[in-house]
Amino acid sequence: SQQGEEDPQALSIQEGENATMNCSYKTSINNLQWYRQNSGRGLVHLILIRSNEREKHSGRLRVTLDTSKKSSSLLITASRAADTASYFCATDPDMNRDDKIIFGKGTRLHILP
Amino acid sequence: DTEVTQTPKHLVMGMTNKKSLKCEQHMGHRAMYWYKQKAKKPPELMFVYSYEKLSINESVPSRFSPECPNSSLLNLHLHALQPEDSALYLCASSQDDRPTYEQYFGPGTRLTVT
Repeated sequence: SQQGEEDPQALSIQEGENATMNCSYKTSINNLQWYRQNSGRGLVHLILIRSNEREKHSGRLRVTLDTSKKSSSLLITASRAADTASYFCATDPDMNRDDKIIFGKGTRLHILP
Repeated sequence: DTEVTQTPKHLVMGMTNKKSLKCEQHMGHRAMYWYKQKAKKPPELMFVYSYEKLSINESVPSRFSPECPNSSLLNLHLHALQPEDSALYLCASSQDDRPTYEQYFGPGTRLTVT
């Protein structure tokens, strides 16, 4: 079952600009993770944000979480060509009987030279 | 060593073949996962092993058979697959199966069923 829904589905920006991706989810969560996937490769974990946190930073990445709106955003500042990838949010639902994370549909980010 | 390795990288098999995908990690993780991913879609969970025991089977057809010989190894045995099973198969591991832990993914096996 789909829990997270990323927005936009695809995004193209110029190198050096900031990229913002959003993730909305349906039910209360314990935490939310963001992953990056380069074309045809495995996923790489970026950040985990817990339900009692509002913002986390890691290098050029900034993640926010608004539990009242059931949404999260991932901001990549000063984008580089190497940031071209698909980005997925993954949620741990509060009523998680199976202890599994649920991936959203993803945002495909393309950094233009 | 924070790497999950998968072999082979690519696999082409006929519908009557039997093949196996292999996954290995040496991070001491006690949970291992198989995901299936179609193009431009998110990964879909297939199986979870926790402490070498199968803890989740997402109603996967029996033509896919997982095996966890030890805490470092995970196999996926394939038999009588269908063309629609062609996909990227991803293995992942995490410290344990609680979703508070990040998952480490391998590079995947690109499977084509002819």
